[in-house]
Amino acid sequence: GNSVTQMEGPVTLSEEAFLTINCTYTATGYPSLFWYVQYPGEGLQLLLKATKADDKGSNKGFEATYRKETTSFHLEKGSVQVSDSAVYFCALSFNQAGTALIFGKGTTLSVSS
Amino acid sequence: DGGITQSPKYLFRKEGQNVTLSCEQNLNHDAMYWYRQDPGQGLRLIYYSQIVNDFQKGDIAEGYSVSREKKESFPLTVTSAQKNPTAFYLCASSPRQGWGTEAFFGQGTRLTVV
Repeated sequence: GNSVTQMEGPVTLSEEAFLTINCTYTATGYPSLFWYVQYPGEGLQLLLKATKADDKGSNKGFEATYRKETTSFHLEKGSVQVSDSAVYFCALSFNQAGTALIFGKGTTLSVSS
Repeated sequence: DGGITQSPKYLFRKEGQNVTLSCEQNLNHDAMYWYRQDPGQGLRLIYYSQIVNDFQKGDIAEGYSVSREKKESFPLTVTSAQKNPTAFYLCASSPRQGWGTEAFFGQGTRLTVV
């Protein structure tokens, strides 16, 4: 079946450190890939997305590249800030009626000053 | 402003009671979804609807019911048959399915059953 696997957290970093959160997927077909972010007590917000192989999504200093050969969509940021502390979700969807986003379990990021 | 509104933000109910969570959107989206979030388990799909008067079960539909009588509204009822209803519930919507279509989320309702 279709699924998303994320690295387990929590990930604890100091401010200005480099961030990588790994995400791999299993899918029958060619999905679109997403990263969502959830701040405490809130809903999810789209962070970035990519719709085909080798596409790079980017937003607010975060980047992720759709790697079809490794079925991966790892999230990276060169220099994290305390305000980046949140839960990050990797997700996929298909261009088919009757389907919904499939999420990974989420990775908690904690950044200290 | 356009968006998705979930109400209430916090909800307390006694065990054995049914409770309905509200979700309204003014984005003119066709599709709407309900997810349940538990610590360490990510988001699990309860129900979704691609069009008015039609909806489909997700991965964990047992003990829940929904209706889609209007495009803007997709209420979720947590029934007494749901064995462990305490959780954070998220509603989302998206335009009619298309390549790279993203979902927009409400702020969530935290349900506590005592």
